[in-house]
Amino acid sequence: GIQVEQSPPDLILQEGANSTLRCNFSDSVNNLQWFHQNPWGQLINLFYIPSGTKQNGRLSATTVATERYSLLYISSSQTTDSGVYFCAGSPYNTDKLIFGTGTRLQVFP
Amino acid sequence: GAVVSQHPSRVICKSGTSVKIECRSLDFQATTMFWYRQFPKQSLMLMATSNEGSKATYEQGVEKDKFLINHASLTLSTLTVTSAHPEDSSFYICSASAWTDDQPQHFGDGTRLSIL
Repeated sequence: GIQVEQSPPDLILQEGANSTLRCNFSDSVNNLQWFHQNPWGQLINLFYIPSGTKQNGRLSATTVATERYSLLYISSSQTTDSGVYFCAGSPYNTDKLIFGTGTRLQVFP
Repeated sequence: GAVVSQHPSRVICKSGTSVKIECRSLDFQATTMFWYRQFPKQSLMLMATSNEGSKATYEQGVEKDKFLINHASLTLSTLTVTSAHPEDSSFYICSASAWTDDQPQHFGDGTRLSIL
């Protein structure tokens, strides 16, 4: 099956710093999404981004489908950005999501 | 926006008990729902795909007799953990497949199951 690797696995930042999270897929996928899981376990959808670039406030994401990777940019990080970030994609002809290994982000004041 | 309600949010029960978790799409219909399991500090692992009116499709390694899934209507899927044991303790989260709010899947808030 498809393998989804995320890097870095852990990231510690001071408030105000910028960061880039990466997601690599072993095969092509549909429905590529980025999520933020808060400390209560809730999954917050950040982006649906099968290709191209999207921006939402301090967050932006870029997917290069032909090279099977996606990037999530966080600018001017805040303590509320802390949590685990997951990317996920669907194998072709399915809707099920295969989640990546996750990046645990801690932002300190 | 599309809302998926998952209930209960937290369950603590004795070993041997069967536990039912409900996943409801509140303002849309979902022919397909998914069930995931997440162990502490790990990623979400897909357990099964639930299709309304038909048998669920289980991922490799997931015991279908242990994790009973019923998708009796377009707004409700249930996961029953039968004769639960401590190793079944985990965070279970469901999602519903529907194209709304610029995303293909909508997630419930999860159920934290603790078996004593």
